[in-house]
Amino acid sequence: ILNVEQSPQSLHVQEGDSTNFTCSFPSSNFYALHWYRWETAKSPEALFVMTLNGDEKKKGRISATLNTKEGYSYLYIKGSQPEDSATYLCAFRDNFNKFYFGSGTKLNVKP
Amino acid sequence: NAGVTQTPKFRILKIGQSMTLQCTQDMNHNYMYWYRQDPGMGLKLIYYSVGAGITDKGEVPNGYNVSRSTTEDFPLRLELAAPSQTSVYFCASSYLDRGRGTGELFFGEGSRLTVL
Repeated sequence: ILNVEQSPQSLHVQEGDSTNFTCSFPSSNFYALHWYRWETAKSPEALFVMTLNGDEKKKGRISATLNTKEGYSYLYIKGSQPEDSATYLCAFRDNFNKFYFGSGTKLNVKP
Repeated sequence: NAGVTQTPKFRILKIGQSMTLQCTQDMNHNYMYWYRQDPGMGLKLIYYSVGAGITDKGEVPNGYNVSRSTTEDFPLRLELAAPSQTSVYFCASSYLDRGRGTGELFFGEGSRLTVL
């Protein structure tokens, strides 16, 4: 069983704050690192898929970086908005196409 | 485009009963997965399939069975329901082919199962 850890478990910020969370994963058997956004009463939806060490992806105010050698990825949200409130999941995809998920970071953005 | 469809959305079972969670996808994805999500925990992989006729165990397969007779369908069977199987179950699919596409997972809406 492979361990993917996310921190913090939850985060409460004010509208306009910038924030970041961490996903750590094993550096062996790595194929890709995925980030998903999961709103209450909906299904997880993909934000980013990163495969190369040093990858940086950006979508609007949200960006992510990847370090496969040390086994971590950061997700950044600039100028948080209430609509950013969700649980953010990371998933490690191994060379056998199995996905292992962290337990998520629950973000609450207060207006 | 329906994507990934799971049924039922909710079910209450008695200990020892059996049931099947249905999952179908219309995106011609080769890979399909079943996950369960327990409170405070991440998604745990139960079983997965790389294509019709091929399935394999994930992290927590005990008490479950799967089959994949077609590309579209990947049902999950609980033979003798136990309270420990009370959870929310998610089916997901992906097109995974090295060098093509992102391989992102597409999820169904989830099935909430309670075993009493």
